Amino acid sequence: QKEVEQNSGPLSVPEGAIASLNCTYSDRGSQSFFWYRQYSGKSPELIMFIYSNGDKEDGRFTAQLNKASQYVSLLIRDSQPSDSATYLCAVNNGANNLFFGTGTRLTVIP
Amino acid sequence: DGGITQSPKYLFRKEGQNVTLSCEQNLNHDAMYWYRQDPGQGLRLIYYSQIVNDFQKGDIAEGYSVSREKKESFPLTVTSAQKNPTAFYLCASSIDRSTEAFFGQGTRLTVV
Repeated sequence: QKEVEQNSGPLSVPEGAIASLNCTYSDRGSQSFFWYRQYSGKSPELIMFIYSNGDKEDGRFTAQLNKASQYVSLLIRDSQPSDSATYLCAVNNGANNLFFGTGTRLTVIP
Repeated sequence: DGGITQSPKYLFRKEGQNVTLSCEQNLNHDAMYWYRQDPGQGLRLIYYSQIVNDFQKGDIAEGYSVSREKKESFPLTVTSAQKNPTAFYLCASSIDRSTEAFFGQGTRLTVV
């Protein structure tokens, strides 16, 4: 079982819709959870982090964490074509090792 | 401006050569990392360092070597023992291993 799993997509949503990206992790001791956005040919950039159960909102982005289900998600409201990228989920497990998922490719259709 | 600088952006290597990728940060971060990314794949950890003069192997360390003589610098050498080195190499740093990592712009290595 992989430490962090994501649906590779591609996920296509129309402009203005909500994009929902999901991630599961295997280590129940995991403490920190991160979402990175990576445009083609570029390096990942941090867009959200979450440490506690529940929702965390930042502009059009909402991160959701459910430690009981070992599940973390990212919602993008009012999706824009500029949101088209690969989204990487990263989890810091109980042993302070940071694991990345393989990423979900999102396409926002104008 | 604070940040992480990787150089060069593109690098071509002949088979059998060693090459060194540079990574410098001025964020005063203790932890630094090297990741490899292949097309359509996630990030795989090569090496990481939590403090000067100390580093640990990641998941795919074979064929690579690193040094951490200064807090700001964490160069990666891709040796001739690495059989399939063509990839996108990313350097990152963080305050410590429990906090978010920030990435440099990457080095694209191609074997010719």
